[in-house]
Amino acid sequence: DIQMTQSPSSLSASVGDRVTITCRSSQTISTYINWYQQKPGKAPNLLIYAASSLQSGVPSRFSGSGSGTDFTLTISSLQPEDFATYYCQQSYSSPRTFGQGTKVEI
Amino acid sequence: EVQLVESGGGLVQPGGYLRLSCAASGFSFSDHYMDWVRQAPGKGLEWIGRSRNKANSYATDHGSSVKGRFTISRDDSKNSLYLEMNSLKAEDTAVYYCGRVRRGYDLGSYVDSWGQGTLVTVSS
Repeated sequence: DIQMTQSPSSLSASVGDRVTITCRSSQTISTYINWYQQKPGKAPNLLIYAASSLQSGVPSRFSGSGSGTDFTLTISSLQPEDFATYYCQQSYSSPRTFGQGTKVEI
Repeated sequence: EVQLVESGGGLVQPGGYLRLSCAASGFSFSDHYMDWVRQAPGKGLEWIGRSRNKANSYATDHGSSVKGRFTISRDDSKNSLYLEMNSLKAEDTAVYYCGRVRRGYDLGSYVDSWGQGTLVTVSS
């Protein structure tokens, strides 16, 4: 199984901050990585697919980059509604494993 | 509007059986792959498995932790996805989500629509 390791596990930030979350895969996955946002008690919400493609309806302050084994999710200017937990997921091979999550707190 | 509604969760004893359903509407269910994902209380997301469409022989994949115990199936005539869970353990306690999978050339696959989840509690 491909292991996905996110860092940090949690971070504290302020409104307006630029936030970067990284995800490293245990083997190369090309650009087959997705990013999801999840708020407490809610289902996940797709932000980015294929490393850098912004899902329809997602604000442009969210962006993704990377290829191979190292990937980044960036929030250019953190908004109050962005405080949540973020997960990466690889879609290169089965099982389609998730990272352990990064909690973004105030 | 895409809608996915899970049902069938509840309290079950260790070693027991439960069948979850996911009712889909608002899109052509038969054309899509579907995923099951779960989340234990206070924990992260875990991919459970996938159901492919008829064009791909309804093939399924299952995650390592549930292989041999859980079975994914679908009924396109009812626009429904199922997860049969056998030999349940306390560590299977989680909210179970179904999701619609989108795929594209050189895009991999991703879940773009999710149900609200159904809670399964395994306890005596």
